[in-house]
Order: sequence, then C-alpha cells, then structure tokens
Amino acid sequence: GESVGLHLPTLSVQEGDNSIINCAYSNSASDYFIWYKQESGKGPQFIIDIRSNMDKRQGQRVTVLLNKTVKHLSLQIAATQPGDSAVYFCAENIGSGNTGKLIFGQGTTLQVKP
Amino acid sequence: GAGVSQSPRYKVAKRGQDVALRCDPISGHVSLFWYQQALGQGPEFLTYFQNEAQLDKSGLPSDRFFAERPEGSVSTLKIQRTQQEDSAVYLCASSPLTGWGQFFGPGTRLTVL
Repeated sequence: GESVGLHLPTLSVQEGDNSIINCAYSNSASDYFIWYKQESGKGPQFIIDIRSNMDKRQGQRVTVLLNKTVKHLSLQIAATQPGDSAVYFCAENIGSGNTGKLIFGQGTTLQVKP
Repeated sequence: GAGVSQSPRYKVAKRGQDVALRCDPISGHVSLFWYQQALGQGPEFLTYFQNEAQLDKSGLPSDRFFAERPEGSVSTLKIQRTQQEDSAVYLCASSPLTGWGQFFGPGTRLTVL
C-alpha cells in the first residue's frame, strides 16, 4: 500500500556536524516531495521540496536527494545547530490528477548536542 | 506577510459537544487542506478545497466531521458530538496552487474529556 516511512526514529548529532535524515516511499507514482520541520507546539514548517524530474536540490544549509530507483529521499543538514533540533517529516504527493494531499511519514527526531 | 492562522489554538470540549475550528489561509492561496495529527504521529489528510469547492473529503473519519469554505478564503472544520478519539491537533495548510508546497498553520489542539 501507500506509505512513507523513515528509517530511524531518532538521530543524535554533535553541533557543527552534518545530519542526514532518510525516508523511504513506496508509491512510484509520487511526483513531488517535501521535507518539513516541526518544533514542539508548532505546525510543520516547510524546509525544501523536490519534484520527481530532479535528483538533487539545495537550499540554505539543506540538501534534498531523491533516488527514484530505490524510492529513497534524504535530507542533509550542514553544520547542524541547536536550533535544528525538531521532528522532521518527509511527505509525498501522489501525481496523476491527485488533489495535492500529502502523505506523511512518522517523523525523525533530530537531537543536536552542544 | 502573514502566514496561515488558526483559532482557537486550544480547545477543550466535553464528550458530545460540537466544536468549530477556524483557518485563515495565506491571502490568495487557492488550495486549502485540513490534516489531523495524533500525538507522536505525522499529519493525516482530512479534506481539501480548491477555492470554495471541496474536491476531496476522503480523509474525514466519520460523518460527524464537516468542513466548509464558503467564500474561498476562510475555512471552518466542524466536529459534531465529539468523542475522546477526536482528541488531536488539527492542522490547516494552504497552497498557491495544487501540487505546490503547502504552508501550515500552528494547529488547534483539541482535547475531548
């Protein structure tokens, strides 16, 4: 069935190190993916997106990689800071006339140690 | 540059009460979505509007849940005869166009006693 999952529920990194958060998706029809950051008590915050015709996209300190062959998505955060501590969700949007609804994974908690 | 706003931020209801949750999307955004987020889980889709038209309500868990967006801007999610299992955070998101990034509000935390 359709699912978006994350390999690791919790990731702990040292401040200044790079972080990599992984996500697997199962629907080959998905054509748009978004990474969200959610801090406690807040709504998900848009970080970066990527469409299926791309395999890499860079933002400020973040990079998203898409491997359609193995249906894998990753979020790389460079020089991780304490303010990056949050739960990170990947979300997929299934194409072909869909309504745009997103299917979210369970989330990965990123803990940044000072 | 106001983002998506939701009210109230917190709502406590007694079982059986009706509640109404409001969402003000980003001005000019065509698409509006409602999601439900249980504790420790990712958001789950409830319903979708394109302007005033409700094009997808496949995620609404029962006929006690009703959403509207009569003028294509503000939306209201109504839950009738609330049950304890309705306790969750209700998130609203808007998007300039279908298939583009969705921007979320802070959510309404509903607690049903």
